[in-house]
Amino acid sequence: GNSVTQMEGPVTLSEEAFLTINCTYTATGYPSLFWYVQYPGEGLQLLLKATKADDKGSNKGFEATYRKETTSFHLEKGSVQVSDSAVYFCALRGSSNTGKLIFGQGTTLQVKP
Amino acid sequence: NAGVTQTPKFRVLKTGQSMTLLCAQDMNHEYMYWYRQDPGMGLRLIHYSVGEGTTAKGEVPDGYNVSRLKKQNFLLGLESAAPSQTSVYFCASSYPRNAHTEAFFGQGTRLTVV
Repeated sequence: GNSVTQMEGPVTLSEEAFLTINCTYTATGYPSLFWYVQYPGEGLQLLLKATKADDKGSNKGFEATYRKETTSFHLEKGSVQVSDSAVYFCALRGSSNTGKLIFGQGTTLQVKP
Repeated sequence: NAGVTQTPKFRVLKTGQSMTLLCAQDMNHEYMYWYRQDPGMGLRLIHYSVGEGTTAKGEVPDGYNVSRLKKQNFLLGLESAAPSQTSVYFCASSYPRNAHTEAFFGQGTRLTVV
């Protein structure tokens, strides 16, 4: 079945550091891939998405490229801010007609001033 | 813009008690979902619905029931709460047919079973 694996956290960075959070997936067909962010005490918000191979999703300085050859969707940001501290979830939505999202375990990012 | 609204936001239950969590969405979405979030395990799907009057089991359905009597509402019930059901519960909704669209999430319900 479909699955998503994220790098374990927590990840602690200093402000303005480069961020990478690894995400790999297993899926049949042609899934869509998503990154969601959860700020403390809040629900999940969509950060970015990519719907086909080689697509790059981007938002708020974050980027991720859909790599079908390596089944990966790594999240990157060139310069993190304290306000980026949150939990980040990688997820996929398969090509079935149920729309179910399969999530990775989440990676906690803490950015220190 | 209400989006997806969950009630209540917090609840403490005693073992064996029952309760119902309500999810309401105002985006006319066909699909609705209930997830639970536990540390180190991401979000796991409990039950979902692809339309009014239909429900299906997800990854971890045991101990839960759901109903979708109205398109905009999706109810999650715990008939006899257990400490293992202590978790944060999230409801989500999305458009059908197009796998490229994202799901929209509520703010969550933090449930503690003592």
